[in-house]
Amino acid sequence: NAGVTQTPKFQVLKTGQSMTLQCAQDMNHNSMYWYRQDPGMGLRLIYYSASEGTTDKGEVPNGYNVSRLNKREFSLRLESAAPSQTSVYFCASSEGYRSNNEQFFGPGTRLTVL
Amino acid sequence: AQSVTQPDIHITVSEGASLELRCNYSYGATPYLFWYVQSPGQGLQLLLKYFSGDTLVQGIKGFEAEFKRSQSSFNLRKPSVHWSDAAEYFCAVGAGASKIIFGSGTRLSIRP
Repeated sequence: NAGVTQTPKFQVLKTGQSMTLQCAQDMNHNSMYWYRQDPGMGLRLIYYSASEGTTDKGEVPNGYNVSRLNKREFSLRLESAAPSQTSVYFCASSEGYRSNNEQFFGPGTRLTVL
Repeated sequence: AQSVTQPDIHITVSEGASLELRCNYSYGATPYLFWYVQSPGQGLQLLLKYFSGDTLVQGIKGFEAEFKRSQSSFNLRKPSVHWSDAAEYFCAVGAGASKIIFGSGTRLSIRP
C-alpha cells in the first residue's frame, strides 16, 4: 500500500500561473482533505471532501478550487497563483469525517510562487 | 468551537534526557486529542490519540501523553529522547462531527 501520494513534490510558479496538485489514496477512505502549512501557523484546512461527491470549504479556501474525481483522488487547483500561496501543501485522508478518525498524510508539495 | 495551543515554538534537549511537550486545548466537553509527528521533509504521522478512558495513553516510538481535564492539557512525554526524535510535533483537537484543529507545532532539536 502506498498510502497517500501527492504530485508534484516541488513546484515553482510565476504570479498568475495556474496549476493542479494531485492527491490519491489507496486505503478506501471516504474523506479527504487539503491543508497548507506555513511557519508558525500549523496546518490550516483549505478544503475537504467528507465523502465522494461532496466538497466543502475549510478555514482558508480563497484562491483555491478542488475536485473529488472519484473515491481515490482529490485535486487542488490554483487558478491564478499569488505569492501568498507559497507554502507546503498536504493532502490527507481518513476513513470517516468525524474528528475521531485518524488522518493519514501524504509527503507534501512544496510550492513557491514568484 | 475548539482551539489548541502549543506554547513552545522550539525546544532543544540533550540525547538521553527526558522530554515534555505542552499542549493546551479549549473545549467545553472532552475532545478527541491527538499528537502527530512530522519528520523533516515528510508528512504527519500519528503518534497517539485520546478519546476516553485511561488518561495516560501510550503511543508509538516510546511516547506517551496524559490528559488532564482540570488543566485542559494533553502533554506529550518521552523518558529518554534519541537523535531520531528530532522533528516537529503537532497537537490536534477534534470534537464530534467538527473538523480537527491543529496546533502551531513545536520543533524539537536534539543536542548530541
